[in-house]
Amino acid sequence: EADIYQTPRYLVIGTGKKITLECSQTMGHDKMYWYQQDPGMELHLIHYSYGVNSTEKGDLSSESTVSRIRTEHFPLTLESARPSHTSQYLCASSDNGGGTTQPQHFGDGTRLSIL
Amino acid sequence: AQSVAQPEDQVNVAEGNPLTVKCTYSVSGNPYLFWYVQYPNRGLQFLLKYITGDNLVKGSYGFEAEFNKSQTSFHLKKPSALVSDSALYFCAVTAPTGANNLFFGTGTRLTVIP
Repeated sequence: EADIYQTPRYLVIGTGKKITLECSQTMGHDKMYWYQQDPGMELHLIHYSYGVNSTEKGDLSSESTVSRIRTEHFPLTLESARPSHTSQYLCASSDNGGGTTQPQHFGDGTRLSIL
Repeated sequence: AQSVAQPEDQVNVAEGNPLTVKCTYSVSGNPYLFWYVQYPNRGLQFLLKYITGDNLVKGSYGFEAEFNKSQTSFHLKKPSALVSDSALYFCAVTAPTGANNLFFGTGTRLTVIP
């Protein structure tokens, strides 16, 4: 089992609230990722980071923002939640060694419902 | 640009029979290919990868996959399916250079019938 943790696992919250989804990994991985996945559907990359103070937007446009102040921590924030943000959010990390050959390790996700 | 196609949304197989989950890819240059499995309410678990070398790669839980460059395919196989193999399977591709961003297929739901 990979040591990557996401909290909360489930969140139901009203429109307009500020939300932070937490993701932490204990493997010392430089690379971290956030994906958005509708249940049983494909994953879409929304943010990634190659290390501290590095963040990039992914292929799917998202109103969320991320930060990477510490290697092990990669939180995702929604300033004002809307029903269209309802989805599952998966965090992943990978080792920097070996370039792009390294598999990504995933957390169990946060299922977010905006009322 | 990289892309992955999983032509079957659903695959049903009887327990004990061999299973195949199909994947084709498109990438500039040599591909790095991955298979992941997702159980309900869980994240993705890495099964196996192809980087270079032997076209047949073996992974976790008895799964294997065959890389076929001429057909641009990377089908996932298992000789004898278990009911516990029932899950959602994703194929993914990335390129050797540039960002280590995986491009995922749409997933195939495998159901193993007892």
